[in-house]
Amino acid sequence: AQTVTQSQPEMSVQEAETVTLSCTYDTSESDYYLFWYKQPPSRQMILVIRQEAYKQQNATENRFSVNFQKAAKSFSLKISDSQLGDAAMYFCAGGTSYGKLTFGQGTILTVHP
Amino acid sequence: EPEVTQTPSHQVTQMGQEVILRCVPISNHLYFYWYRQILGQKVEFLVSFYNNEISEKSEIFDDQFSVERPDGSNFTLKIRSTKLEDSAMYFCASSGPLRGNIQYFGAGTRLSVL
Repeated sequence: AQTVTQSQPEMSVQEAETVTLSCTYDTSESDYYLFWYKQPPSRQMILVIRQEAYKQQNATENRFSVNFQKAAKSFSLKISDSQLGDAAMYFCAGGTSYGKLTFGQGTILTVHP
Repeated sequence: EPEVTQTPSHQVTQMGQEVILRCVPISNHLYFYWYRQILGQKVEFLVSFYNNEISEKSEIFDDQFSVERPDGSNFTLKIRSTKLEDSAMYFCASSGPLRGNIQYFGAGTRLSVL
């Protein structure tokens, strides 16, 4: 993706509740991939979930799922049954098959016990 | 599980000095990347590398920067004459030969330029 925008600098959720993080993107590519990465305080970048743009079905990974709206260029992340360990900075990113990733500004997620 | 390894985890240097950041990508991966993240900001692409040459670079990647794959395993980023504004976290990433494969990131090297 050529631009990626995360409009929520911070979000919070109660433990065991559900939270949705928003992301919009813009690209002129027809073949691209979208990702959510988690960055805990250690600053390691950890892949959470990936979506291929050519697939209409939304990707899911255990408690994590996405809502991919291709026409609207929207790619939100839903975290169900939030856990304390989910607290981190979350980055939305996009790119072509072998190309660079373009990252959003990030959303800090706080999980309250 | 295979992982991308970066050394050192933290590098402190004086302004004007040369630094080399090292990365060992996942062994069967063919595409290599460097990104940087200034504290509190988003992750920015620096350069991508494939088949022993740069495939793409950003505006940040000026003549002060260079990359090299000196042997079959290491992938290095050199900053020739560091500036204060080079202080950042530098991430190496690699991806495999399959189309659309995921970029796996190392734990990063925190560079502090004094």
